[in-house]
Amino acid sequence: DSGVTQTPKHLITATGQRVTLRCSPRSGDLSVYWYQQSLDQGLQFLIQYYNGEERAKGNILERFSAQQFPDLHSELNLSSLELGDSALYFCASSVSAGTGGYEQFFGPGTRLTVL
Amino acid sequence: AQSVAQPEDQVNVAEGNPLTVKCTYSVSGNPYLFWYVQYPNRGLQFLLKYITGDNLVKGSYGFEAEFNKSQTSFHLKKPSALVSDSALYFCAVRDSAGRRALTFGSGTRLQVQP
Repeated sequence: DSGVTQTPKHLITATGQRVTLRCSPRSGDLSVYWYQQSLDQGLQFLIQYYNGEERAKGNILERFSAQQFPDLHSELNLSSLELGDSALYFCASSVSAGTGGYEQFFGPGTRLTVL
Repeated sequence: AQSVAQPEDQVNVAEGNPLTVKCTYSVSGNPYLFWYVQYPNRGLQFLLKYITGDNLVKGSYGFEAEFNKSQTSFHLKKPSALVSDSALYFCAVRDSAGRRALTFGSGTRLQVQP
């Protein structure tokens, strides 16, 4: 158990809908990272927050947004969902803002299915 | 830009035999290198990392990795494979000079046959 929690485990929804994925980092970690894992794209970095502020952006679509709250939990919002958004979404946390050789600890993921 | 290549989609090895999962990387500065393992329906678990120092890094579950700067490689190894090692393995890199997220390779599926 990495100490990173994600809810829900599974999410099934329809095209055009909006969903929210939630992540709680390990105790003491200030950074939260969001990744998308799909068969065709592999593991892709979406976005990073550090202590409430956006720190780095990867291949995140404009339909997707995220935020990190004062209690350090984070939410990833996916809107106007398309079939191609079906994937496993991981949250990871780290003590570092992004510098240094600190590893990231991954949550169990949320499997999103868009029908 | 930083990138990682895992040239083998799948590696098959018999239980008890040594295993190697290959990884090569590209960064503009000095690399921070990581190996993660993913079991079915689970998140990624951290195995080991290279930051600086000794080129041979030891990690969890008997795994080790060798950093080779001239060949820009960071191959994962284990002297004696177990059936329970069967999983998906990811190599990741970050340039130590900048504030960047990890870049992951495409993953290598390790199949250990009894």
